[in-house]
Amino acid sequence: KAGVTQTPRYLIKTRGQQVTLSCSPISGHRSVSWYQQTPGQGLQFLFEYFSETQRNKGNFPGRFSGRQFSNSRSEMNVSTLELGDSALYLCASSQAIGRETQYFGPGTRLLVL
Amino acid sequence: AQKVTQAQTEISVVEKEDVTLDCVYETRDTTYYLFWYKQPPSGELVFLIRRNSFDEQNEISGRYSWNFQKSTSSFNFTITASQVVDSAVYFCALSGFANFGNEKLTFGTGTRLTIIP
Repeated sequence: KAGVTQTPRYLIKTRGQQVTLSCSPISGHRSVSWYQQTPGQGLQFLFEYFSETQRNKGNFPGRFSGRQFSNSRSEMNVSTLELGDSALYLCASSQAIGRETQYFGPGTRLLVL
Repeated sequence: AQKVTQAQTEISVVEKEDVTLDCVYETRDTTYYLFWYKQPPSGELVFLIRRNSFDEQNEISGRYSWNFQKSTSSFNFTITASQVVDSAVYFCALSGFANFGNEKLTFGTGTRLTIIP
């Protein structure tokens, strides 16, 4: 079974731009979560989607948004990029919500100049 | 609020030595899950183990073993006869089960393990 895939793997943007990252979960998994990893803040939870609905949200500004499609694929969008948004963005999928192990993708490395 | 503490920022050991990575957690939930993930230089978080708060049995998987002690809120990870391929950053994480939808993982800051050949 294929793992979680994320595209693109690397991205360079400039301040003020917006970016969309994509995540395809493991086949059969219906829950997708997003995390931001930075050297200073570590791994931080962004949001979780299940059945196209956001079920849980971390403490990030409204510039960070996401959505999930009917095939469980998910996208996250960051508008008006700031230098501090440079990070590794990790997507994780699980079979359902609650009690499930989350399996992570390889991440998207975003550099904001 | 949930919290995971990995006090060891970096550890270096010589190949074939045993090494233990410490993890201490805080939660008010009565039911929770604990996890260990490995992050090699490629960046992907690789799942290693999940432990239910009701199951305090130690677990062994090959050279890996985990010691869960609820009394001390610790979930330590030991690698026996370490190998160079074990070099990575290891994260301990906690998942609450208090409310439907409240399943985010709270991660520790990670321990960078370097195995010296």
